[in-house]
Amino acid sequence: QQPVQSPQAVILREGEDAVINCSSSKALYSVHWYRQKHGEAPVFLMILLKGGEQKGHEKISASFNEKKQQSSLYLTASQLSYSGTYFCGTEPTGNQFYFGTGTSLTVIP
Amino acid sequence: GAGVSQSPRYKVAKRGQDVALRCDPISGHVSLFWYQQALGQGPEFLTYFQNEAQLDKSGLPSDRFFAERPEGSVSTLKIQRTQQEDSAVYLCASSYGTHQSYGYTFGSGTRLTVV
Repeated sequence: QQPVQSPQAVILREGEDAVINCSSSKALYSVHWYRQKHGEAPVFLMILLKGGEQKGHEKISASFNEKKQQSSLYLTASQLSYSGTYFCGTEPTGNQFYFGTGTSLTVIP
Repeated sequence: GAGVSQSPRYKVAKRGQDVALRCDPISGHVSLFWYQQALGQGPEFLTYFQNEAQLDKSGLPSDRFFAERPEGSVSTLKIQRTQQEDSAVYLCASSYGTHQSYGYTFGSGTRLTVV
């Protein structure tokens, strides 16, 4: 039930772009994206509801293809503050919510 | 409150001891989740409440784990006869509405170490 993310880890230089993918084996109602810094709680970035929408949050945006049961997170012109572990979250049913396998993102100067 | 509050922040328990972890969600938040996060892993679903009703407890790893939210606000996760494999960070998250349309706000978690 746990969605699979790729890549597992990525290292970027400041200003570079990255894409993180999330794939589920189950039909999805929605996809969430969260960022977690070491030793801290996950922080909500955005939610995408079914309908193939794309949303943006500063220089971070995401897309959701419900037919393919996939979502992608796009980080442009990365900043040092973007470092952390990114998790997608998916809702295959009404009462459960599963986090993905996680992607570690490190931005270096 | 302004955020989701969890207590204690750290808990060391001797194997076999019972523990109780508290979550105080944002006032008015209907949905409440508990997650278990092992070191280097993503959060794993434990249970879900909508107000005082526990709608899903399929993620609780054994009958030693019990969660309640009697008045639809504060929730307690209880672990009986703790084992070393219970060592993890326990995260609580709440949401304004039913979770299909809203993101979750997480507490800082309780780090449980069973020795």
